[in-house]
Amino acid sequence: SQKIEQNSEALNIQEGKTATLTCNYTNYSPAYLQWYRQDPGRGPVFLLLIRENEKEKRKERLKVTFDTTLKQSLFHITASQPADSATYLCALDLSRDDKIIFGKGTRLHILP
Amino acid sequence: DAGITQSPRHKVTETGTPVTLRCHQTENHRYMYWYRQDPGHGLRLIHYSYGVKDTDKGEVSDGYSVSRSKTEDFLLTLESATSSQTSVYFCAISEPGQGPPEQYFGPGTRLTVT
Repeated sequence: SQKIEQNSEALNIQEGKTATLTCNYTNYSPAYLQWYRQDPGRGPVFLLLIRENEKEKRKERLKVTFDTTLKQSLFHITASQPADSATYLCALDLSRDDKIIFGKGTRLHILP
Repeated sequence: DAGITQSPRHKVTETGTPVTLRCHQTENHRYMYWYRQDPGHGLRLIHYSYGVKDTDKGEVSDGYSVSRSKTEDFLLTLESATSSQTSVYFCAISEPGQGPPEQYFGPGTRLTVT
């Protein structure tokens, strides 16, 4: 069965540094991979999508890479700020239809 | 929250009682989803709908049913609530085929079954 893993439950990063979160998957070749942000008590918010034929996607201080050979996506936040503290979820499409599966998330803490 | 509301936002109910959660959208999106989120499990899909009266099961559908009689409303029913259904429930919407298929989530409903 498909499996998606975010390798850190929690990550502490000093303010101003780059935070790097990892998402690995097995037994599948997704057409795209998405990243969401979730704050406590709220629903996830879509951040970025990267397709299987794209290596890298950027949006402001966010950068996502997608290595289909390694079956891995990296999510980077540069010049991190305490306001970036949240849980970040990766998600990939299931069976190339309109369902997606989510990783369990990584809690990111940016320390002032 | 992209024009998505969920009601109620909080509910406490007893084991064995029926419970219905409502998701309402004003975006006219075709797809609607119900997820539950639990510590250690992340977000898991319960049921989803790809149009009025068109629904399908997700990975954790046992004990749940859904209905969609109008584009804007998607109801999740627990026919006989159990303590294992204590969770936070999220509704999401998307409109694949008109760009990236990202999902927009509602604020969630916290359900406690005692």
